[in-house]
Amino acid sequence: EAQVTQNPRYLITVTGKKLTVTCSQNMNHEYMSWYRQDPGLGLRQIYYSMNVEVTDKGDVPEGYKVSRKEKRNFPLILESPSPNQTSLYFCASRPAGTGGHEQYFGPGTRLTVT
Amino acid sequence: AQSVTQLGSHVSVSEGALVLLRCNYSSSVPPYLFWYVQYPNQGLQLLLKYTSAATLVKGINGFEAEFKKSETSFHLTKPSAHMSDAAEYFCAVSDRGSARQLTFGSGTQLTVLP
Repeated sequence: EAQVTQNPRYLITVTGKKLTVTCSQNMNHEYMSWYRQDPGLGLRQIYYSMNVEVTDKGDVPEGYKVSRKEKRNFPLILESPSPNQTSLYFCASRPAGTGGHEQYFGPGTRLTVT
Repeated sequence: AQSVTQLGSHVSVSEGALVLLRCNYSSSVPPYLFWYVQYPNQGLQLLLKYTSAATLVKGINGFEAEFKKSETSFHLTKPSAHMSDAAEYFCAVSDRGSARQLTFGSGTQLTVLP
């Protein structure tokens, strides 16, 4: 089954404790992205990647890091989480080419930072 | 930069009534346009997309949307609402020829009343 998986689905952590949210896709997609969803703000892009070792900042990159060492994986790293990073996070992937391709979303990771 | 405006953060309709969710974009060049739906505790699922073919686009679950360049709009409609349509709906745009990912609107929560 074609899918994007994220782990963990739920995470409660404390301020300053480094964490990683994993994302993996099995569709051989070149493009992958991370978004955060906050009430009233929709989804905002954090980082995106066009291929292995190629990443770029989205609209809200502060406080986040990413890496793309393998085509299928695109982990999101919070080096020192803060309460304002409490949010619902989505990973997405799509094939290369123009922006007309559908993005496929993971199920989401709900992060709470206390 | 692209922006998307969804008028009405909450819309309520009676079962069987017309559903109309509004979306306007800001761009001098028609972008790619998408509607995604998010059911409770799930990721986003593509409803339909406009990529430059017919201006009236049909999607899944009986939804359709019409691209109107003169009004920079891409409103989502469904002739007869069903209880299962209750969800949050997001309009999104993507620049043509750009590797940049989607820009989302703030979302519209649809409630269907019995």
